[in-house]
Amino acid sequence: KAGVTQTPRYLIKTRGQQVTLSCSPISGHRSVSWYQQTPGQGLQFLFEYFSETQRNKGNFPGRFSGRQFSNSRSEMNVSTLELGDSALYLCASSRGPGRAEAFFGQGTRLTVV
Amino acid sequence: QQQVKQSPQSLIVQKGGIPIINCAYENTAFDYFPWYQQFPGKGPALLIAIRPDVSEKKEGRFTISFNKSAKQFSLHIMDSQPGDSATYFCAASEGSNYKLTFGKGTLLTVNP
Repeated sequence: KAGVTQTPRYLIKTRGQQVTLSCSPISGHRSVSWYQQTPGQGLQFLFEYFSETQRNKGNFPGRFSGRQFSNSRSEMNVSTLELGDSALYLCASSRGPGRAEAFFGQGTRLTVV
Repeated sequence: QQQVKQSPQSLIVQKGGIPIINCAYENTAFDYFPWYQQFPGKGPALLIAIRPDVSEKKEGRFTISFNKSAKQFSLHIMDSQPGDSATYFCAASEGSNYKLTFGKGTLLTVNP
């Protein structure tokens, strides 16, 4: 069974640009969550989608947004990139209600220059 | 506000030793407590998880001890090996909320 797939693995962007990251969850999983990982702040929750609906949102500015498609694949978008957005962005998938186990992808390493 | 506090930040043990990593939480609504292992360049991998209705859970060489009254839980790694050298994160979530609140992580080094 394939794991969580995130693309691309690495990205370099310039300040002010926008970026879209993609996540394909494990087959049969309907919940997708996104996290930002930095050395200083650790792993921080961005948002979570279930059945194409955003159920939870973390404490991040509106420049961070996401969506989920009918096949459970998800994308997150960051607009007007800042140097501080440089981080590893991780996607996690869960089966759905009553099944809390979350499985992470390898992440997308975003560098903003 | 850091809702899950993890200690120590780093830990060095000899092969065969039993490293112990501790976490404390504040939110009494948390009811799911997983531990993740992360190697450099990889995403976190789910190791083991526990719910508050049990005080201990073992999976292979990994054991979680849970103290609900103290709002603390810990990870023990029996017979640690150099391949266990990684960063370990504790986390917590509540109910059907899939938002995980993570500790800051513990960098474990197991020397041969």
